[in-house]
Parts: sequence; C-alpha cells; structure tokens
Amino acid sequence: AQTVTQSQPEMSVQEAETVTLSCTYDTSENNYYLFWYKQPPSRQMILVIRQEAYKQQNATENRFSVNFQKAAKSFSLKISDSQLGDTAMYFCAFMLDYSGGGADGLTFGKGTHLIIQP
Amino acid sequence: DTAVSQTPKYLVTQMGNDKSIKCEQNLGHDTMYWYKQDSKKFLKIMFSYNNKELIINETVPNRFSPKSPDKAHLNLHINSLELGDSAVYFCASSQTGGNSGRASTDTQYFGPGTRLTVL
Repeated sequence: AQTVTQSQPEMSVQEAETVTLSCTYDTSENNYYLFWYKQPPSRQMILVIRQEAYKQQNATENRFSVNFQKAAKSFSLKISDSQLGDTAMYFCAFMLDYSGGGADGLTFGKGTHLIIQP
Repeated sequence: DTAVSQTPKYLVTQMGNDKSIKCEQNLGHDTMYWYKQDSKKFLKIMFSYNNKELIINETVPNRFSPKSPDKAHLNLHINSLELGDSAVYFCASSQTGGNSGRASTDTQYFGPGTRLTVL
C-alpha cells in the first residue's frame, strides 16, 4: 500500500516570503501521479498542482511550483510571494496508475496548516 | 456555475438515525467518489462509481451505502448513525473512467463538503 507523509503539521511565514512544504511518499510502483490540494477555511478542496511521475520537468502554476525528486520519493511545494489568501491546509496526494490503466483514488497525507502572517 | 455540489452543507442528527447526503456534478464526468475527512483532517476514500457502476469500495461499515441513479449523481446513505460517523464528507468527480474496472487517473474535483455531526 502507498503512504504519503507530510512532516510539517504547521508552518507560519510572513506575507511575500517564499515557503516550501514537504511531502514524501512510499511506493514500489513506477507509474503514478502526485497532487497538491489546498483547503482554505471555507473547507473547499482546491487543486493546486498535478505532476505526472513520468515527466522529469517540475510542474508550475503561477506562484506555485513543485520540486519532484522521483528517486528520493519527494514532492515538495514551493509558494513564492506568499499572500494572505494562501492561508490554508495543504494536502499532498498520491494516485497510482495501474499498468492496465486506471487508479484506486487518491491517498492523502495528513496535511500542513500554512499560516501567512501580515 | 457550481461544478460539484453537495446537499446539505451541514447535517446535525441524533445517534441511530438514517440520513442521506446528495452529490451532483455538472461537468459531464464519468467517475464520482466519496471521501471522509475525520476530525484530524485526514482524508480517506470510501467509494467510487464509474458511470453508475461501483468500482471502489473501501473497508467501510455496511451502514454506508452509496447509490448512483445516473452518472451525474452519487448519493451517500448512512443507516443507524454513530458518534464516530461525525466528519466532513466530500464528493468528487473526474472526467473519464479507468480501465479494468478502476477509477480514472484524471484530476479529481471536489464538492464543498458536508459536515455531519452526530449527537
């Protein structure tokens, strides 16, 4: 079974700073997808970024980028120029891609509560 | 335009009651899911349907029964509610179905969640 570990339960940074959230995962498989989801106080789960394991290039989405290290099974999220609206729980998630095509849903880490201070 | 909607957003009920949570998606997606987020914010998949067919059925008490009347709707019915059922329940959908009776690898889009409180 796959596991996802987020070792930082909570982080706090000043507005405009850059912050990196860590995520490691454990799998013996080669084909999978990784995600970061954001959950603000509104409770809505919002996709931040998606990375395909077969792609060496790190995914980016505006101020959000990832550092995907497949050999180390590490998938960290970097938020540049952090804003007050970035305050939220951030969840790292793993999805296995079976060789016949298809998945078993998302496996989530326990989340990191990110607080952006004014 | 709400993509994935859930009703109700809040549900407070007594132990032993039966309740349902409804989910609808207007994205034209084929696959829908139910996830449970516990009091420690941990999210875990419960069920998935692909075009009305059950494809993921995690270890969940059989008091929980999903029903999919059509591919745009996935409801969750819970019998004999217990205190431990208190949680936030999220519905999600993804575009296509997977092969071999599995869910797809497409990105999942979540509804707003239903906070269930059992007293």
